[in-house]
Amino acid sequence: RKEVEQDPGPFNVPEGATVAFNCTYSNSASQSFFWYRQDCRKEPKLLMSVYSSGNEDGRFTAQLNRASQYISLLIRDSKLSDSATYLCVASNFGNEKLTFGTGTRLTIIP
Amino acid sequence: SQTIHQWPATLVQPVGSPLSLECTVEGTSNPNLYWYRQAAGRGLQLLFYSVGIGQISSEVPQNLSASRPQDRQFILSSKKLLLSDSGFYLCAGIKGRSMNTEAFFGQGTRLTVV
Repeated sequence: RKEVEQDPGPFNVPEGATVAFNCTYSNSASQSFFWYRQDCRKEPKLLMSVYSSGNEDGRFTAQLNRASQYISLLIRDSKLSDSATYLCVASNFGNEKLTFGTGTRLTIIP
Repeated sequence: SQTIHQWPATLVQPVGSPLSLECTVEGTSNPNLYWYRQAAGRGLQLLFYSVGIGQISSEVPQNLSASRPQDRQFILSSKKLLLSDSGFYLCAGIKGRSMNTEAFFGQGTRLTVV
């Protein structure tokens, strides 16, 4: 079983729709979680960290469920520019090991 | 701010040839450093990580190796490349051990083995 798992998609959603991604992790000792965005042939860019209490940044909301070992990302009022691959990331204590999920490909349709 | 310089951006190498990819870090000291590989349409596969000079942890057994001769230098090598080594290689770093510390990335090397 992979340490961090995501539905690879693709998710094709119309502009303005709300879309949600889930990501599960197998290592219960994971301490930090992130969502990164990766555009084609580029390096990943941090979208947001994921806090236990949940956090929101504009149209984006991230949640962490430690009991069920998953994190989620919600994108509201999706824009064409949101089209990208979204990568879920977990790090262990001390950030010694940073593990990425396989990514979920999102395409926003006009 | 922390930055990673990674080169070259693109590389075409014949099967059986050696490989050396280097990344150097600026703007911070004693970072954790990582090498990832991304095959087309796939996620980032962690290859190696290092928490300090000379300290290398390997995640996937293969014909690649890594070295960290200096605090801010991380090198990925191979003695003989295979076709399956083609992919997008990313060097990444994290400064600090606290929670929610953001990783920073190099711009990647696209390797094609022919």
